[in-house]
Amino acid sequence: KQEVTQIPAALSVPEGENLVLNCSFTDSAIYNLQWFRQDPGKGLTSLLLIQSSQREQTSGRLNASLDKSSGRSTLYIAASQPGDSATYLCAAGGESTGGFKTIFGAGTRLFVKA
Amino acid sequence: KAGVTQTPRYLIKTRGQQVTLSCSPISGHRSVSWYQQTPGQGLQFLFEYFSETQRNKGNFPGRFSGRQFSNSRSEMNVSTLELGDSALYLCASRTGEYNEQFFGPGTRLTVL
Repeated sequence: KQEVTQIPAALSVPEGENLVLNCSFTDSAIYNLQWFRQDPGKGLTSLLLIQSSQREQTSGRLNASLDKSSGRSTLYIAASQPGDSATYLCAAGGESTGGFKTIFGAGTRLFVKA
Repeated sequence: KAGVTQTPRYLIKTRGQQVTLSCSPISGHRSVSWYQQTPGQGLQFLFEYFSETQRNKGNFPGRFSGRQFSNSRSEMNVSTLELGDSALYLCASRTGEYNEQFFGPGTRLTVL
């Protein structure tokens, strides 16, 4: 059964700092891994999707990497800004009993101080 | 291109009632998934529909049901509401199961 863990649960950094958010998964037989951000009370915004055949994806100041063999993904945020404050969730997609499922981590709550 | 839309955005019901939530996917997306999000349990998968067929289902009681129409719009129904059903219900759409998921703004359900 796939389990997804995100560490740390919360993070507070000063503006301008580079930071790394971690995501680990127990079943390496995933098809893809997706990173999202969620603002309080809102839906999820897709940031990056990494297919199982890829090692990383980049979008602007964001870079996500995937290491299936170690069951890990990281989201790197460069030059953080107060507007980056949100909860970041990772989600692993793969086959499980009953079909394809996407399993979410509990998220990392990020606060960027001005 | 319009994003995923969900209606209503907020809903207040009392125990024992039933509720229907609606989701319109991004144009061209045939897969619609539903999730429940609570502070204690996080994001939990409810079910996924593809071309009007339920393709997958999470571990929720039979009070939770759904359907998808030929235009890919989906509805979720919860019968005999319980206090613990209070949550943010999120809908997501994608072109296929290996592709990027896009979420709607959610429906906030409060059960009194």
